[in-house]
Amino acid sequence: AQSVTQLDSHVSVSEGTPVLLRCNYSSSYSPSLFWYVQHPNKGLQLLLKYTSAATLVKGINGFEAEFKKSETSFHLTKPSAHMSDAAEYFCVVSPYNQGGKLIFGQGTELSVKP
Amino acid sequence: DVKVTQSSRYLVKRTGEKVFLECVQDMDHENMFWYRQDPGLGLRLIYFSYDVKMKEKGDIPEGYSVSREKKERFSLILESASTNQTSMYLCASKDPTEAFFGQGTRLTVV
Repeated sequence: AQSVTQLDSHVSVSEGTPVLLRCNYSSSYSPSLFWYVQHPNKGLQLLLKYTSAATLVKGINGFEAEFKKSETSFHLTKPSAHMSDAAEYFCVVSPYNQGGKLIFGQGTELSVKP
Repeated sequence: DVKVTQSSRYLVKRTGEKVFLECVQDMDHENMFWYRQDPGLGLRLIYFSYDVKMKEKGDIPEGYSVSREKKERFSLILESASTNQTSMYLCASKDPTEAFFGQGTRLTVV
């Protein structure tokens, strides 16, 4: 069965320091992978997506993620955190040949301290 | 601009009521989804539909049903609302590479 595990439920960083949000997936075939962000009382917004092209994917607001098949990981990074990055982040897998189904991780809440 | 519209932002219903949550998309997408979001659990898939009148159970379909009579509209039905169905409900519409979400309906069952 396909699944997604976000390894940290909460991450706290200081403004200007790097961000690392960890995600591991399990899938029988090469899946599509996504990161979504949800700001308080706002809808879900796509940050970036991997769909079997380049393994290093760049997204909006300076975020990027690297697909590592050998480690079944898709960690999200940003070199320098900004206060406006405080939000909940979801790693999502869309398994191959399952009608576009999306499977969400449990979410990681990112706090950014001044 | 892409749009997924959920009919209500906030809803309060009584235990035992039949509840309809409506979702409309304007992108001509075939795939539509209903999720519920609860703290610490992420988004859990209730039902999805890959075509008109086609539906598939997700991970937590019990107590819910869906209707897709037209391509643009996907309705979630709580047959007899219970307090454990108090949650945020999110509708999504998907093309081959990206899903678009509505703003959500926060349902409280009292």
